[in-house]
Amino acid sequence: KAGVTQTPRYLIKTRGQQVTLSCSPISGHRSVSWYQQTPGQGLQFLFEYFSETQRNKGNFPGRFSGRQFSNSRSEMNVSTLELGDSALYLCASSMDRVTAGELFFGEGSRLTVL
Amino acid sequence: GDSVTQMEGPVTLSEEAFLTINCTYTATGYPSLFWYVQYPGEGLQLLLKATKADDKGSNKGFEATYRKETTSFHLEKGSVQVSDSAVYFCALVGGSGANSKLTFGKGITLSVRP
Repeated sequence: KAGVTQTPRYLIKTRGQQVTLSCSPISGHRSVSWYQQTPGQGLQFLFEYFSETQRNKGNFPGRFSGRQFSNSRSEMNVSTLELGDSALYLCASSMDRVTAGELFFGEGSRLTVL
Repeated sequence: GDSVTQMEGPVTLSEEAFLTINCTYTATGYPSLFWYVQYPGEGLQLLLKATKADDKGSNKGFEATYRKETTSFHLEKGSVQVSDSAVYFCALVGGSGANSKLTFGKGITLSVRP
């Protein structure tokens, strides 16, 4: 069974640009959640999507957005990039809502903002 | 809000040494508790979980017991191996319904020397 796939794995952007990251969950999983991982703040929850609807959102500015498609694939977008947005962005999928806690993570997309 | 506190790291041990990684939490109600592990260059993987007080989660020689009276979920292993070198994250799922989300501790890096 294929795991969670995130693309691209690495990318470099400059301040003010925008970026779109993609996540393909494990087949049959309906929930996709996103996390930002940085050395200083650790893992922080961005948002969760289930059946194409955003179910929960973390404390991030509106520049961070996402969506989920009918095949459960998800994208997240960050507009007007800032230096502080440099991080590893992790996507996780699960059969049901994240409430069950058993998430399967991708290897992440490492974003560097110059 | 919910929070997870892990002991400061990094931790360096010799092979076959005993491991304890402390984790305490703050949450309302009865959260489910988890340990996730991140091996170098990989995404997070669920290591073990416990969903109610006094439950013991175990996997790959690791154990953790859900202690409600001390709000703790310490991770232990009797004899570590070089292959256990990784970053370990304690996490909880709290809240209910739309507010449910996975909250992580900051993680601790374990290095095991041959």
